Amino acid sequence: DAGVIQSPRHEVTEMGQEVTLRCKPISGHNSLFWYRQTMMRGLELLIYFNNNVPIDDSGMPEDRFSAKMPNASFSTLKIQPSEPRDSAVYFCASSLSSGGTEAFFGQGTRLTVV
Amino acid sequence: GENVEQHPSTLSVQEGDSAVIKCTYSDSASNYFPWYKQELGKGPQLIIDIRSNVGEKKDQRIAVTLNKTAKHFSLHITETQPEDSAVYFCAASFSTGGGNKLTFGTGTQLKVEL
Repeated sequence: DAGVIQSPRHEVTEMGQEVTLRCKPISGHNSLFWYRQTMMRGLELLIYFNNNVPIDDSGMPEDRFSAKMPNASFSTLKIQPSEPRDSAVYFCASSLSSGGTEAFFGQGTRLTVV
Repeated sequence: GENVEQHPSTLSVQEGDSAVIKCTYSDSASNYFPWYKQELGKGPQLIIDIRSNVGEKKDQRIAVTLNKTAKHFSLHITETQPEDSAVYFCAASFSTGGGNKLTFGTGTQLKVEL
């Protein structure tokens, strides 16, 4: 398996524009997580899905952020409208939902909002 | 919710010395404690994990200890090598059939000097 695949790897956009980040989890994994990493706040869990259903979105910073998982092999994280303070590295991770299993991370998307 | 504290934030050791990173957690229900290594420009990768029914686990030069009573766990790296230089994150979760909601520590920048 190629691991968790995220696209794009880098994204530069202007303030106010819509940004969509994409993730393909490892085949067979049924839990998917979106994390945001910044120097100030470290790794923050934004939302996670189990069997394509959002379980906990309490980490989503505000209504400008939304995430979907239309099927077991694809998820998106959308920011609309984007703001400079959204600049960060966004990671997607997947795992098996049975207890105590490893979460595998993608390479991340580095987002810069100017 | 869970809160994980990690110390130190930076650690510099000489090649061949040992390195120790410590974490504490707040939720006594947490039962899964992984450690991740993140190299520059990459996503975090699991290096070792421990479950609450085990007090210690070792894998070659890496070991992790868990004290459930005190709610702290530690990573020990012996005979450090330059390639061990990276950021290390501890995490804690209460893993159920609904997936692992990992809460991460703030990270430790380890530098192994020649």
